[in-house]
Amino acid sequence: QKEVEQNSGPLSVPEGAIASLNCTYSDRGSQSFFWYRQYSGKSPELIMFIYSNGDKEDGRFTAQLNKASQYVSLLIRDSQPSDSATYLCAAIKAAGNKLTFGGGTRVLVKP
Amino acid sequence: DAGVIQSPRHEVTEMGQEVTLRCKPISGHNSLFWYRQTMMRGLELLIYFNNNVPIDDSGMPEDRFSAKMPNASFSTLKIQPSEPRDSAVYFCASRWQDLLASKANEQFFGPGTRLTVL
Repeated sequence: QKEVEQNSGPLSVPEGAIASLNCTYSDRGSQSFFWYRQYSGKSPELIMFIYSNGDKEDGRFTAQLNKASQYVSLLIRDSQPSDSATYLCAAIKAAGNKLTFGGGTRVLVKP
Repeated sequence: DAGVIQSPRHEVTEMGQEVTLRCKPISGHNSLFWYRQTMMRGLELLIYFNNNVPIDDSGMPEDRFSAKMPNASFSTLKIQPSEPRDSAVYFCASRWQDLLASKANEQFFGPGTRLTVL
């Protein structure tokens, strides 16, 4: 079992709809969670981080964390073609440790 | 700030040659990470440093790979001898971190080095 798991996709979403991405992690000691976006041929860039159970909103993005279920999700509202990318979920146990990345979910937003 | 700087951006070499990848982290950052990304294996952590000290090199594939961080502003990843299966994009990333804190800060990635070994 991988430490951080994501559905590889592709997740196909019509423009203007909500894209829902899911991520599960196996280490209950994980404290911090990150969502990175990676465009083809580019490096990953951070879009959201979340530390506490519940929802965190930033513009069109909402991250949700449920530590009891070991589950992190990312919602993209009003999806745009420019949101087409691979989204990487990452978890970390403690500040000095390494990020563990999932395999990524490829999202395609169709006009 | 210029962000994490990596060089070269592209490298094409022949099997058996030595390859050296370079990274300059963001000034003030105290943690540095080397990753490799391929379609088959995704993003893999090779090694990371805290305060210039290697903490975990369990991701380094074999003895052909070595990494150094002689000071806070420079790191190298060396492959000797290189093989075709080493072809990948190699990313360097850095972050500033209070190592005693419970929560981790954002990690910034460099643009990557695309390595092709023929």
